[in-house]
Amino acid sequence: IAGITQAPTSQILAAGRRMTLRCTQDMRHNAMYWYRQDLGLGLRLIHYSNTAGTTGKGEVPDGYSVSRANTDDFPLTLASAVPSQTSVYFCASSEGSGHNNEQFFGPGTRLTVL
Amino acid sequence: GQNIDQPTEMTATEGAIVQINCTYQTSGFNGLFWYQQHAGEAPTFLSYNVLDGLEEKGRFSSFLSRSKGYSYLLLKELQMKDSASYLCAVMDSNYQLIWGAGTKLIIKP
Repeated sequence: IAGITQAPTSQILAAGRRMTLRCTQDMRHNAMYWYRQDLGLGLRLIHYSNTAGTTGKGEVPDGYSVSRANTDDFPLTLASAVPSQTSVYFCASSEGSGHNNEQFFGPGTRLTVL
Repeated sequence: GQNIDQPTEMTATEGAIVQINCTYQTSGFNGLFWYQQHAGEAPTFLSYNVLDGLEEKGRFSSFLSRSKGYSYLLLKELQMKDSASYLCAVMDSNYQLIWGAGTKLIIKP
């Protein structure tokens, strides 16, 4: 059982380019999340999805978009990358979206925008 | 605004006990989580508290006081492998996690 996977592991991207970070889970979890983690800051929620077919904005959604066509996949797209989007991106999932729902994290994608 | 505070870094000795504190101010409260994150890896779940009191799980315990907006994570019999960052996160009224910046714990022999 893989749990939750992310691709690519790392990427260097030129500013202005479009990039999609992939996330797949095999736990049949309803809820999925995208976070970014920057040095000295806590994880910040970009977008989330409580169930397939629905998405919502988190704390820092600008410059990012997501889709949730099915239960397993939750890709994150940067339409036109900027250097401030250099970060480590974590995808996570949980069985539900209410309280006491432990989030399981993927291994992360390290993105550098030049 | 919403705020989670925890110390940036702590140092402890192998075999000892360490307490990592977390204070929070959030819009609503639906529980507090502690996660462990080794350098270069993903966070992994340690504990969840929603009621006041102490939850014990092996060498790790977590305490919550909702009236004080305060929690701590207690690690006993420290091992070198416990060197990691410990993240405090509060679930707010929208059921979203608000994360602290993490406490880097350094264990010395």
